[in-house]
Amino acid sequence: DTEVTQTPKHLVMGMTNKKSLKCEQHMGHRAMYWYKQKAKKPPELMFVYSYEKLSINESVPSRFSPECPNSSLLNLHLHALQPEDSALYLCASSGRMNTEAFFGQGTRLTVV
Amino acid sequence: DAKTTQPNSMESNEEEPVHLPCNHSTISGTDYIHWYRQLPSQGPEYVIHGLTSNVNNRMASLAIAEDRKSSTLILHRATLRDAAVYYCILRGSSGAGSYQLTFGKGTKLSVIP
Repeated sequence: DTEVTQTPKHLVMGMTNKKSLKCEQHMGHRAMYWYKQKAKKPPELMFVYSYEKLSINESVPSRFSPECPNSSLLNLHLHALQPEDSALYLCASSGRMNTEAFFGQGTRLTVV
Repeated sequence: DAKTTQPNSMESNEEEPVHLPCNHSTISGTDYIHWYRQLPSQGPEYVIHGLTSNVNNRMASLAIAEDRKSSTLILHRATLRDAAVYYCILRGSSGAGSYQLTFGKGTKLSVIP
């Protein structure tokens, strides 16, 4: 199984809502990532977890809250988002630096 | 972060070879060179990676300059399905840097039938 599964595929939320994005992998990878991608732009790294601990936070606003409950799961909790947070949110996982990373198909988020 | 520089866009005719360049003049001795591509409406997918020697796999070849300050991704026969944005990325070899996977602007490859 070389898949990274993200749910939901699409999400529309209001600015006062709380929602969560989920990501799952069963490849035994110990690093998991969240990216944000706006249209026609490259993916922008948000967070990296390694061995279930947050190792990189790219100065992301606190309305985005990551969580890694176990080595297979990664969540991104969303609260009080702004319309400019509308984007494709990608999850990825990888092993060591000399191995490939696998990406999910993303969650298309629209904030209204 | 060690940075990479790629042309914004390139064009290729179908069934011809494509050479996609990447400059990484500030690469450190232990950084790996990774290539990913992103097809329209999909998540990025791994293409190939290497450290010092040239590498081949079923998708592509990676040619790495002797001084490692540049590399070239080679698609041997471009197909319409290869139309995508191609990203050249450096990954560190220790600590948090070994997990960092930061995308640059990439090269948008168009394939002409």
